[in-house]
Amino acid sequence: EVQLVESGGALVQPGGSLRLSCSASGFTFNNYFMHWVRQAPGKGPEYISTISSNGDTTLYADSVRGRFTIFRDNSKNTLFLQVSSLRPEDTAMYYCVKDRSGTWSFDYWGQGTLVTVSS
Amino acid sequence: QTVVTQEPSFSVSPGGTVTITCGLSSGSVSANSHPSWYQQTPGQAPRTLIYNTNTRSSGVPDRFSGSILGSKAALTITGAQADDECDYYCVLFVGSGWVFGGGTKLTVL
Repeated sequence: EVQLVESGGALVQPGGSLRLSCSASGFTFNNYFMHWVRQAPGKGPEYISTISSNGDTTLYADSVRGRFTIFRDNSKNTLFLQVSSLRPEDTAMYYCVKDRSGTWSFDYWGQGTLVTVSS
Repeated sequence: QTVVTQEPSFSVSPGGTVTITCGLSSGSVSANSHPSWYQQTPGQAPRTLIYNTNTRSSGVPDRFSGSILGSKAALTITGAQADDECDYYCVLFVGSGWVFGGGTKLTVL
């Protein structure tokens, strides 16, 4: 059974930083692209970032490029998102999402970790 | 900036059929946009319903189907049930990443 468990969310002040983690199990992690998607309270989901299976290629949405960094540790089956220069509008549930290979779509979703940016 | 459009809300009677569409602010949606559809109930993570325009994800009932209708992607629910009442989101791949539609809140009554 595929499991994605996010952690690291917290209440942080504007300008602050966090590292979000996603522990993956139930599939061969190093064979799959992975994504981060966020959802602000009461809003729809927003695509954030993608990383290739070996970590060599990354994509970012314009809204986070230069402030967020996606990376992975395939030896530990873990995906990360380093979030920096946080703004109140970054307040959201952050979901780790497994790619569905060859389909340009999302497959399994974690339950999310909440980031709240407020002074 | 690419904007993906959906109807904000729809209402359907139990047993009825509803089609939710997914368009682009500029241009047409085709299979090359790799449209996919996600279902979300309150307090839960989204769940994948449809990918590659019309392929149902594992365990998704066959009352859910995807297609291209004219210049838009479409999600059709045939024989709507009470527990289909939730939010539906389409996603398109636009070359530099993925873009979510604003979502459609479906009411079954």
